Amino acid sequence: QVQLVQSGAEVKKPGASVKVSCKASGYTFTSYDINWVRQATGQGLEWMGWMNPNIGNTGYAQKFQGRVTMTSNTSISTVYMELSSLRSEDTAVYYCARGVMVAAGFKFDYWGQGTLVTVSS
Amino acid sequence: DIQMTQSPSTLSASVGDRVTITCRASQSISSWLAWYQEKPGKAPKLLIYKASSLESGVPSRFSGSGSGTEFTLTISSLQPDDFATYYCQQYNSYQYSFGQGTKLEIK
Repeated sequence: QVQLVQSGAEVKKPGASVKVSCKASGYTFTSYDINWVRQATGQGLEWMGWMNPNIGNTGYAQKFQGRVTMTSNTSISTVYMELSSLRSEDTAVYYCARGVMVAAGFKFDYWGQGTLVTVSS
Repeated sequence: DIQMTQSPSTLSASVGDRVTITCRASQSISSWLAWYQEKPGKAPKLLIYKASSLESGVPSRFSGSGSGTEFTLTISSLQPDDFATYYCQQYNSYQYSFGQGTKLEIK
């Protein structure tokens, strides 16, 4: 069965960086994009960006351009999301999600369990 | 960037009610729209993709419609498990965005 398993909770100081991992299993890793979505407490879902693990292409939301980097290690079926220059507003649960393109449509059909990142001095 | 606006932000309803949530895009997105259900402490769950296609395993009381800039999610007969927050999501030119969410509460 398809699974996305994320790394554990992190506590970081303002100005630091955090790197969250998302390990995929149960499907051909290089055949699907991985997206990152975050949710601050009491707030809505916010899409951060996508990565194609096969060719390494990425696309980031404008809000995060210059601060986010998504990479992958195909040998262990894992995608990483690194967010730099952290501030308190980055405190949120970060999710990875598999992205699937279908005819004239798309879907995020499998999600990781979420990783809580807390930014606090 | 395409903005997605959901209405209402909060909806109070009772078990058995038929409810509709609307999502409007700031420009046409054809049928590039999905709907998700989110509950506290859990990852979002895909309900509808391509505006009106029901994801496998999702109860048939959920349905989606629309194209272009206006879309709706309808729950035909609310069940206790349906009280949650619902989000629409669009895709355009390698960019995605979500609506702000609609919280469905028990009346």
